[in-house]
Amino acid sequence: SQQGEEDPQALSIQEGENATMNCSYKTSINNLQWYRQNSGRGLVHLILIRSNEREKHSGRLRVTLDTSKKSSSLLITASRAADTASYFCATDGSGTYKYIFGTGTRLKVLA
Amino acid sequence: NAGVTQTPKFQVLKTGQSMTLQCAQDMNHEYMSWYRQDPGMGLRLIHYSVGAGITDQGEVPNGYNVSRSTTEDFPLRLLSAAPSQTSVYFCASSHRDNYGYTFGSGTRLTVV
Repeated sequence: SQQGEEDPQALSIQEGENATMNCSYKTSINNLQWYRQNSGRGLVHLILIRSNEREKHSGRLRVTLDTSKKSSSLLITASRAADTASYFCATDGSGTYKYIFGTGTRLKVLA
Repeated sequence: NAGVTQTPKFQVLKTGQSMTLQCAQDMNHEYMSWYRQDPGMGLRLIHYSVGAGITDQGEVPNGYNVSRSTTEDFPLRLLSAAPSQTSVYFCASSHRDNYGYTFGSGTRLTVV
C-alpha cells in the first residue's frame, strides 16, 4: 500500500486563488518531497522538507510538515493556469532509501 | 547536460516477450529508481539502487529485474511480459537521499 495519500483527489480553482493540497503518510520519515506532473510528462521536483523542518518556501510554494500528525501540506499562492497539473507527495520510510509516492491531487486552474 | 534519458519512448510487446528498458543519467547521481504509473494509482516503486552494484526491491518488483554495473546506467528488464505490465515507466535519479529526484520522460509500454 502507498505510504502517502494526497487530499483532495481533485481541485478546481480560479486563477489568482490559492490552492492547498494535503499529504498524509503512515510511518516515520527522514524527508518528504512534493512533485508536479504535467499531463503526459515526467515528474518535476518542487521542494524537499526534512523531518526536523516545519515549514519551507520556494517562490509561490509553501510546504508545511507536521510529523506528530504525519501530514504535510502544499500551498500554491496566486495560482496561474500554468499551475494546472497533478501534484504528488513522496516519503521515505525512516531508515530506508526508497521514496514512495501517493496517488496525487489533480489541480485545475481556470483562467 | 541531458539529465535522465529513457529509451525507448514507446514500445508494444506481445505476451511472453522479454525486453529491457534503458535508463542513463549523466549527473553522477548515486541513487536511481524505477517507477510505474498506472491511471489512478500514482507511482509505484519497482526497484531502486543506492550505488553501483547495489539494488533492492520496491513495492512491485515481481516480473522485473535490474542491475547497476555502472553509476550511469540502470536498466529494467521485463522477463516475460504480461498485459498487467502495460504502464508508463519512469526512471529517476538523485544525489543521495536528501535531494529531489530528476525524472526521465518515461516509456509507455503496451503488452498485448
